[in-house]
Amino acid sequence: AQKVTQAQTEISVVEKEDVTLDCVYETRDTTYYLFWYKQPPSGELVFLIRRNSFDEQNEISGRYSWNFQKSTSSFNFTITASQVVDSAVYFCALSEESYGGSQGNLIFGKGTKLSVKP
Amino acid sequence: GAGVSQSPSNKVTEKGKDVELRCDPISGHTALYWYRQSLGQGLEFLIYFQGNSAPDKSGLPSDRFSAERTGGSVSTLTIQRTQQEDSAVYLCASSMTSYSNEQFFGPGTRLTVL
Repeated sequence: AQKVTQAQTEISVVEKEDVTLDCVYETRDTTYYLFWYKQPPSGELVFLIRRNSFDEQNEISGRYSWNFQKSTSSFNFTITASQVVDSAVYFCALSEESYGGSQGNLIFGKGTKLSVKP
Repeated sequence: GAGVSQSPSNKVTEKGKDVELRCDPISGHTALYWYRQSLGQGLEFLIYFQGNSAPDKSGLPSDRFSAERTGGSVSTLTIQRTQQEDSAVYLCASSMTSYSNEQFFGPGTRLTVL
């Protein structure tokens, strides 16, 4: 069963529009971490945010904000006033405390490709 | 400071040959991960090393894949008798400890099996 679902495969917006990338996760653990990574055309994955399962406070960092709702198992990412440089593939990921006893590997969604046009 | 480095950046090989991919994690990071990114499968976990503990090999797709980590630092991923379906970008990541910390990724090795 897929544990991280990013239903939006591709999104295209015009510069300065706001855009929200959806992420829904599935886990039986009570302790887990959620992440967002950005993969620009250059290819290297860039860490954006980490959120633990006990902290449901929303977070804002500049034009980026994240909405974590345990009730709906969602961890959505919003970019305000998008810019061309935001064009990338964005991945949501889950890390579980007890997954397979391994503790640590990231379970990624399939990613959402965001294109911001000038 | 230096990030995660991987070599080579690109590797083209013929079907049936063995390949070795190298990863240098960030200094002081005890956890090291290998992932594979391909068009059809997305980002898949392969193997995980934590300090001196036995590695978690649960993500390795077949026994042709193996990895080692020497001295708790550099890691090598080996693929024996490569197949065309092994073509992908192989990503290495490291983190301070384990699941709770962000993982920092290297630039990847693009493997093409002809």
